Amino acid sequence: ELKVEQNPLFLSMQEGKNYTIYCNYSTTSDRLYWYRQDPGKSLESLFVLLSNGAVKQEGRLMASLDTKARLSTLHITAAVHDLSATYFCAVEDSGTYKYIFGTGTRLKVLA
Amino acid sequence: DVKVTQSSRYLVKRTGEKVFLECVQDMDHENMFWYRQDPGLGLRLIYFSYDVKMKEKGDIPEGYSVSREKKERFSLILESASTNQTSMYLCASSFGGADEKLFFGSGTQLSVL
Repeated sequence: ELKVEQNPLFLSMQEGKNYTIYCNYSTTSDRLYWYRQDPGKSLESLFVLLSNGAVKQEGRLMASLDTKARLSTLHITAAVHDLSATYFCAVEDSGTYKYIFGTGTRLKVLA
Repeated sequence: DVKVTQSSRYLVKRTGEKVFLECVQDMDHENMFWYRQDPGLGLRLIYFSYDVKMKEKGDIPEGYSVSREKKERFSLILESASTNQTSMYLCASSFGGADEKLFFGSGTQLSVL
């Protein structure tokens, strides 16, 4: 059974600082997704990582995937308040159409 | 833009009632999904469908059923609502191609009293 773990669950950081959110998963998969959820809103897609070594960047966020380690990271560079949200990773259970989500990381960026 | 529409934003029901949550997508997506979101538990998959009239159980299907009679519509049914089904319910859809990111509806906050 595929399990997806994220850490940390909560992250409070100062503006301008860097940090990394980790997403580990338990079985083989080469498709990993990152989503953002603002308070009271639904989820929006951030990144789609489809192969080992994939790296995607948008603004202050960069996501990478290491399928051999079954690990994805979401790196935040020079955080700003607008990045405050909950971030979820999701992994496709290979060949099943099922997407299994992590528990989410609630990020709060303090001015 | 892809639009996934859930029929109700907030819903209050009584224990034992039959509850229908409706979801419609307008982009001819093959796959549709129902998740529930609870604090500290993230999103958990209830059911999904990869084709009309096809359905597959997710990780927590007990107490739920689904219906997909038309490609654009995927309904979640609580046969006899219970208080532990109080939750935020999220519908999502995806095309089913190589880039299979999910598009989510705005969610239905269901309270069962």
